[in-house]
Amino acid sequence: DTAVSQTPKYLVTQMGNDKSIKCEQNLGHDTMYWYKQDSKKFLKIMFSYNNKELIINETVPNRFSPKSPDKAHLNLHINSLELGDSAVYFCASSQGRRLNYGYTFGSGTRLTVV
Amino acid sequence: AQSVTQLDSQVPVFEEAPVELRCNYSSSVSVYLFWYVQYPNQGLQLLLKYLSGSTLVKGINGFEAEFNKSQTSFHLRKPSVHISDTAEYFCAVSDRSNTGKLIFGQGTTLQVKP
Repeated sequence: DTAVSQTPKYLVTQMGNDKSIKCEQNLGHDTMYWYKQDSKKFLKIMFSYNNKELIINETVPNRFSPKSPDKAHLNLHINSLELGDSAVYFCASSQGRRLNYGYTFGSGTRLTVV
Repeated sequence: AQSVTQLDSQVPVFEEAPVELRCNYSSSVSVYLFWYVQYPNQGLQLLLKYLSGSTLVKGINGFEAEFNKSQTSFHLRKPSVHISDTAEYFCAVSDRSNTGKLIFGQGTTLQVKP
């Protein structure tokens, strides 16, 4: 059983399209995150949710909208995709926000905008 | 605010040699520290963490790290590397607040040569 699963693994789409990435965790964690890894492998937090409540919303364009229907799911919807959105997007989860156990990461979604 | 600097972007080393990957952090408050490993086309996996107590922390795959508060460092070491250790290594810091935010360093590519 995959602990944190993301779908799809690869996503190739044209500029201007709208796309969604889904994330599900079966660890019983109460906090979930989206991170963006750029072409230089730098990881930056985008959003976090705790029990469906938005906790962190970093400086991210309005075109990115997270949605958490329940504490086991955190989806990322991106409108009007741009070339600069090409990156690997990682979902992660943790038990609590004090990070005694760190994060568990999904395997990533590689988004390519052409 | 916290920050993390990984002092080497690439570390080439021969198989069975020892290795040290350097990490320095900056923070005005107490922190938790983590090392993660990312194998090609995979998500990040927790190697080890420092929360409190003993400054020498042992992790998976024979890795260990030493927390040095006076030098604000958390260097990762392995006495004898294998080809399979070739991967990207990330140091990360959390400020122990209730946000759950992890700040990552830029990553160090460990290249183990036969």
